[in-house]
Amino acid sequence: DIQMTQSPSTLSASVGDRVTITCRASQSIGDALAWYQQRPGKAPKLLIFQASNLESGVPSRFSGSGSGTEFTLSVTSLQPDDFATYYCQQYYSYNSFGQGTNLEIK
Amino acid sequence: EVQLVESGGGLVQPGRSLRLSCTASGFTFGDDAMNWVRQAPGKGLEWVGFVRRKVSGGTTEYAASVKGRFSISINDSKTIAYLQMNSLKTEDTGVYYCTRWTGGASYSSNWGQGTLVTVSS
Repeated sequence: DIQMTQSPSTLSASVGDRVTITCRASQSIGDALAWYQQRPGKAPKLLIFQASNLESGVPSRFSGSGSGTEFTLSVTSLQPDDFATYYCQQYYSYNSFGQGTNLEIK
Repeated sequence: EVQLVESGGGLVQPGRSLRLSCTASGFTFGDDAMNWVRQAPGKGLEWVGFVRRKVSGGTTEYAASVKGRFSISINDSKTIAYLQMNSLKTEDTGVYYCTRWTGGASYSSNWGQGTLVTVSS
């Protein structure tokens, strides 16, 4: 099974900041990586697929990069709606998720 | 507009069974794989299993934690995906989401609202 590890687990930031979340895979997954945003009490929402492709309708302040075993999700100019939990997911071999990063207001 | 609506959750005793339904609309059911993901209270996301799209054989795969106890099936005419859960354990408690994998990809482009399953005596 492919293990996904996100860091940090919690990230404190302010509106207008730029933040980066890292996701590492236990083996190479090419670019088979997606990022999701989950707000409290809501279903996750797809942000990024194939490591760097922005899902339709997602603001351009979100971006993804990486390949192989190391990936990043960056958010520039944080907005109030962006404070949520973020998950990475590999789909190279079935599915597995990172443990999540809680982005909270500083 | 794509819609996925889960139903069938509730309180169930350990060892018993429960069947969840996911009613789909807004796309050609069978052209895409249907997938289940769960989330224990206050925890992260866990993949449960999926059924391949018809062109890929409609076969199923499951996470090790549910293999042999859970099964996924679809009813094309009703556009419903089912998650049959047998021999339920307390650790199966959580919100269960139905998701859609678009085309041949294996990431979830659409999610239902989720249905809560509580396994407790």
